[in-house]
Amino acid sequence: DTAVSQTPKYLVTQMGNDKSIKCEQNLGHDTMYWYKQDSKKFLKIMFSYNNKELIINETVPNRFSPKSPDKAHLNLHINSLELGDSAVYFCASSQRGGLETQYFGPGTRLLVL
Amino acid sequence: GESVGLHLPTLSVQEGDNSIINCAYSNSASDYFIWYKQESGKGPQFIIDIRSNMDKRQGQRVTVLLNKTVKHLSLQIAATQPGDSAVYFCAENTAGNQFYFGTGTSLTVIP
Repeated sequence: DTAVSQTPKYLVTQMGNDKSIKCEQNLGHDTMYWYKQDSKKFLKIMFSYNNKELIINETVPNRFSPKSPDKAHLNLHINSLELGDSAVYFCASSQRGGLETQYFGPGTRLLVL
Repeated sequence: GESVGLHLPTLSVQEGDNSIINCAYSNSASDYFIWYKQESGKGPQFIIDIRSNMDKRQGQRVTVLLNKTVKHLSLQIAATQPGDSAVYFCAENTAGNQFYFGTGTSLTVIP
């Protein structure tokens, strides 16, 4: 009965490949997010979706494309992976967004070789 | 853009002592703050929050203090336990927009 789940947990791939990370929340929340955490533990928001609609799109290369098939899922597709994409990617959700607690998934550890 | 920073990147305390983790924020319009705990290999986990109309909020063994005058936030952990060892983040939210996270403080509890 995991609240926010992500797959895969680990992802090791070659430069130039295309990969996807999936996220699902069973909390009935309206808003979902993707964050990137670098090797120094800095956590930065990438995208935010509210009811399948893109709300926040920070300065992220357009190789990153989020997809929300329904409000319980927010997947992240990455094209032409680069070395600098290596990081931990966290999915999160909140009831409505804004001044609300966000619940984080366990993270996906991406290593680009 | 806004920045949220922490004064100390690492903190070591003896088990049973109190811990204080500090955070400075730059946007005086921020109106909601959250402290998160991130254990190794896991995602950030909510600890406690505070809104800008308050200056103190207490939870179980944790207290958050907000000083809007100097734009400073602190997390106090009473009787620190080995299970408290983790990285702690403060996050600020401005006008219901989005959260900005600080760089994190690594807390190590020495048994």
